[in-house]
Amino acid sequence: SYDLSQPVSVSVSPGQTVSITCSGYNLEDKYVSWYQQRPGQSPMLVICKDSERPSGIPARFSGSNSGNTATLTISGTQAMDEADYYCQAWDSYTVVFGGGTKLTVL
Amino acid sequence: QVQLVQSGAEVRKPGASVKLSCKASGYSFTNNAIHWVRQAPGQSLEWMGWINTATGNTKYSQNFQGRVTISRDTSASTAYLDLSLLRSEDTAIYYCAKHDSGAYYGQWGQGTLVTVSS
Repeated sequence: SYDLSQPVSVSVSPGQTVSITCSGYNLEDKYVSWYQQRPGQSPMLVICKDSERPSGIPARFSGSNSGNTATLTISGTQAMDEADYYCQAWDSYTVVFGGGTKLTVL
Repeated sequence: QVQLVQSGAEVRKPGASVKLSCKASGYSFTNNAIHWVRQAPGQSLEWMGWINTATGNTKYSQNFQGRVTISRDTSASTAYLDLSLLRSEDTAIYYCAKHDSGAYYGQWGQGTLVTVSS
């Protein structure tokens, strides 16, 4: 089965830039999406198709996908960005999620 | 606006079954597949399966083969998840999600908590 790996946790100071990685074999051949999940809430799409921002998502969120690694970058991080982040890919008509990364804004 | 509204919390004993619903509104139901994803307490998201709402064809995660059935009622714009032979490890929040072209979930339901306890 296909696996996606994420760091368990990352931390950032307010106003700084943080990147969260998602690794998988030949991941660049797949579309990667990213979801933000705050405590007690449903996941929310923040990046789709590797690098597209849905309507309403702030421009400080960006994404890329190359080789075996997709990356979610948050520029000018705000306290409200503290949440869990999950990457997701579609493989052979099934869906795979990464294990999730807890972002702490210190 | 696009909405997915899920049924309320359930409590079941081990060995029982549960059927959850997910009612869609704000778009043409048969234009998008519906997927089911669950999240155990403190754990990651786990994909369970999906249904082509136009044809009724389904695909399930191997982790749930034989225990899960996803169905839909197009007249009610509603998808269903049926999970049988419940065990304590099935205690989780179960989400439905609308699958958009480009292989992403543009809308999620609010989640349904299923508690399995004797």
